[in-house]
Amino acid sequence: AQSVAQPEDQVNVAEGNPLTVKCTYSVSGNPYLFWYVQYPNRGLQFLLKYITGDNLVKGSYGFEAEFNKSQTSFHLKKPSALVSDSALYFCAVRDSRGRRALTFGSGTRLQVQP
Amino acid sequence: DVKVTQSSRYLVKRTGEKVFLECVQDMDHENMFWYRQDPGLGLRLIYFSYDVKMKEKGDIPEGYSVSREKKERFSLILESASTNQTSMYLCASSSLQQGALRETQYFGPGTRLLVL
Repeated sequence: AQSVAQPEDQVNVAEGNPLTVKCTYSVSGNPYLFWYVQYPNRGLQFLLKYITGDNLVKGSYGFEAEFNKSQTSFHLKKPSALVSDSALYFCAVRDSRGRRALTFGSGTRLQVQP
Repeated sequence: DVKVTQSSRYLVKRTGEKVFLECVQDMDHENMFWYRQDPGLGLRLIYFSYDVKMKEKGDIPEGYSVSREKKERFSLILESASTNQTSMYLCASSSLQQGALRETQYFGPGTRLLVL
């Protein structure tokens, strides 16, 4: 069975500082990993995904994520946070041997203070 | 751009009512999904469909059914709404053109359902 853990319910960071939102996963086969963002009263917007290849994946709005197979992690990062980055972030995984639907983490609320 | 639309943003229903949530995508995607989102629980899969008239149960199908009569439309049905079905419901779709299991899911804006 596939699973995702987002250990932090909330992350607070000052504007201009780097941010990291953590995600670890568990799968049987190879992982396909995704990050989504949700702004208030909106659906989920796709940020980036890792399928294969380079461990550092670049996505929308200046976000990137690093795939670490040995640590089974896929942390989301941004070098310089903006107040407008404040939102709810979800990590999701699909197992290469598993079902077509994604399994989501519980979400991490990012709060960027001015 | 992929567009996934949901028939209502907000819905208020009474216990025991039959509720229909509609989802339409305009990108000819094969796969469609229904999730519910609750605080602290993330998104949980209710049902998905990978073809017209095909459906598979997700993690929490109890109390729900689905219908996919046309490729672009995927309906979620609450046969007899209960208060514990108060939630945010999100529809998503994806295409197999990116390669099975590698595809990105695209989400609609969500329907916030309140059952009184």
